[in-house]
Amino acid sequence: KNEVEQSPQNLTAQEGEFITINCSYSVGISALHWLQQHPGGGIVSLFMLSSGKKKHGRLIATINIQEKHSSLHITASHPRDSAVYICAVPRFSWYGGSQGNLIFGKGTKLSVKP
Amino acid sequence: NAGVMQNPRHLVRRRGQEARLRCSPMKGHSHVYWYRQLPEEGLKFMVYLQKENIIDESGMPKERFSAEFPKEGPSILRIQQVVRGDSAAYFCASSPGVISRFKGPQYFGPGTRLLVL
Repeated sequence: KNEVEQSPQNLTAQEGEFITINCSYSVGISALHWLQQHPGGGIVSLFMLSSGKKKHGRLIATINIQEKHSSLHITASHPRDSAVYICAVPRFSWYGGSQGNLIFGKGTKLSVKP
Repeated sequence: NAGVMQNPRHLVRRRGQEARLRCSPMKGHSHVYWYRQLPEEGLKFMVYLQKENIIDESGMPKERFSAEFPKEGPSILRIQQVVRGDSAAYFCASSPGVISRFKGPQYFGPGTRLLVL
């Protein structure tokens, strides 16, 4: 069974700052997910990655499989990035039908001030 | 291509009533997942379904909760005899196949906020 730890729990930044959110998990996985939950409650899947690095606009996600650690970076942060960022991993470490059985971190609440 | 749709978006029930939450997956998606987010808590997996089959219900409470995904129509999460502790946001997600780095992640619906009075 996997456990997921995220840090920090809360993060306040000034517009333009570079932001890093960390996620650690305890068991080997097939892929790790980063999600964004908007203040209104909707959830968007940002990244799913199993190795290396992925980039989408100002968002960058990295993962180190050996260290069981992933980071989400936001460059040139903007108030519209204010949201809760959630890391999630499969409960089980094998490929199979239950890869949607995810364990979620408690989330990092990001507030970007103008 | 419409995204994952859930209805109702908000549902108010009195204790003891039944709640039915509906989820229409994205077009072409045959895999559906239900998650629950209790107030001030993180998301928790409930159940994973494919058309007409429950694949993994390890996160479902043993009593009062059931889920289905019929051949035709939306997936339904049904909560019988609701209690105040059932008040939460219920999210549905869908994927075209087994989630994997080859086929991609799941896509989330907007959620149904259930309030039990």
